[in-house]
Amino acid sequence: EAGVAQSPRYKIIEKRQSVAFWCNPISGHATLYWYQQILGQGPKLLIQFQNNGVVDDSQLPKDRFSAERLKGVDSTLKIQPAKLEDSAVYLCASSLGRTASPYEQYFGPGTRLTVT
Amino acid sequence: LAKTTQPISMDSYEGQEVNITCSHNNIATNDYITWYQQFPSQGPRFIIQGYKTKVTNEVASLFIPADRKSSTLSLPRVSLSDTAVYYCLVGEWDDKIIFGKGTRLHILP
Repeated sequence: EAGVAQSPRYKIIEKRQSVAFWCNPISGHATLYWYQQILGQGPKLLIQFQNNGVVDDSQLPKDRFSAERLKGVDSTLKIQPAKLEDSAVYLCASSLGRTASPYEQYFGPGTRLTVT
Repeated sequence: LAKTTQPISMDSYEGQEVNITCSHNNIATNDYITWYQQFPSQGPRFIIQGYKTKVTNEVASLFIPADRKSSTLSLPRVSLSDTAVYYCLVGEWDDKIIFGKGTRLHILP
């Protein structure tokens, strides 16, 4: 079974630039999550999709971050404009959805973003 | 959501059994206990989940006492490759999951 795919793996940008991350979840997984993980901390949930609808985006900085999940499969997370404090690893995860435990999530390898 | 407390770091030696304890004094009736493992430069990996008593899989065992106010993740005969951060999470079936800082386990040769 293929895992969660993310690209790019690494990205370096200057502050005030924009950046986008892509995620392809495990086939058949209805729920998709984006997390931000700052060095030395646990992942923090940014947004959760159920199919192509947003379930929770309470911790997404909406003035600069946006995310979409078209057709309920792939998803993109965008930052515009980036700030220095956005330097982190951005993780995508998926799970089967409401018929299974949301705690059993499958994570991708992440995208390491460095903002200079 | 129940708050969890676990040691910041632990050291152990290859071949030993490692037990990581997580405290969750205000765990609710419907809460499950879940552990994740995260290797450097990788996303977290689900390793085990339980509600009460003991759960065992090919990776670890999870011991949950009757009062459920704590749980212990047990890793049998660890190797250098078990060096990772281990997260304990507690919540209901539909809860948003919240990761703490986890326990950094360092296995020594």
